[in-house]
Amino acid sequence: QLQLQESGPGLVKPSETLSLICTVSGDSISNSSYDWGWIRQPPGKGLEWIGTFHYTRSPYYSPSLKSRVAISVDRSKNQFSLKLSSVTAADTAIYYCVRLVELVRGGGYFDYWGQGTLVTVSS
Amino acid sequence: SYELTQPPSVSVSPGQTASITCSGDKLRDTYVSWFQLRPGQAPVLVIYQDAKRPSGIPARFSGSNSGNTATLTITGTQGTDEADYYCQTWDISGAVFGGGTKLAV
Repeated sequence: QLQLQESGPGLVKPSETLSLICTVSGDSISNSSYDWGWIRQPPGKGLEWIGTFHYTRSPYYSPSLKSRVAISVDRSKNQFSLKLSSVTAADTAIYYCVRLVELVRGGGYFDYWGQGTLVTVSS
Repeated sequence: SYELTQPPSVSVSPGQTASITCSGDKLRDTYVSWFQLRPGQAPVLVIYQDAKRPSGIPARFSGSNSGNTATLTITGTQGTDEADYYCQTWDISGAVFGGGTKLAV
């Protein structure tokens, strides 16, 4: 059964870089049928898409975060990571890693989610 | 940026039918997914491609997309269905989520 598990520091200081890792078990991130990515939810607010990648292509990111975000892949460990630079309190959120089933006509659906990890930005 | 509008809350009695709407001016051109979020749990996909149910999702969950409004319907609502529900679609900039609806049973 597919499992996604987020890991990383739960507390990050303002202006520093948030770094998270998603470890995938039960499937390979090199599986050409799927994309992978990150979504977040600030406390008391709605879901926000951060970015998505397919292992054969460069990631694509939310325009509102594009200047600060980077997603990278470690195929040998079956992991992918998120880095968000210059964080502020507004980046405090539960961060989820997800699998995306991409459709031929575009878009797709997020069929598996990790449990999520809360990252707080505070000094 | 593209917006999807959901009612903040919906209340339903056990055994009755709950309907949660999601409005957006481009919905007729795209597929909609629906997610169930419970505190401390991984979000769950309950409907994809407007009306398809993933394996393991009870048949009481159904979806539709007509015109500019997508609807998630829960028939015979149970107490375990109490959760936040989010619709989601895509535009040229990427994935877009509705603001979420808190379903009270």
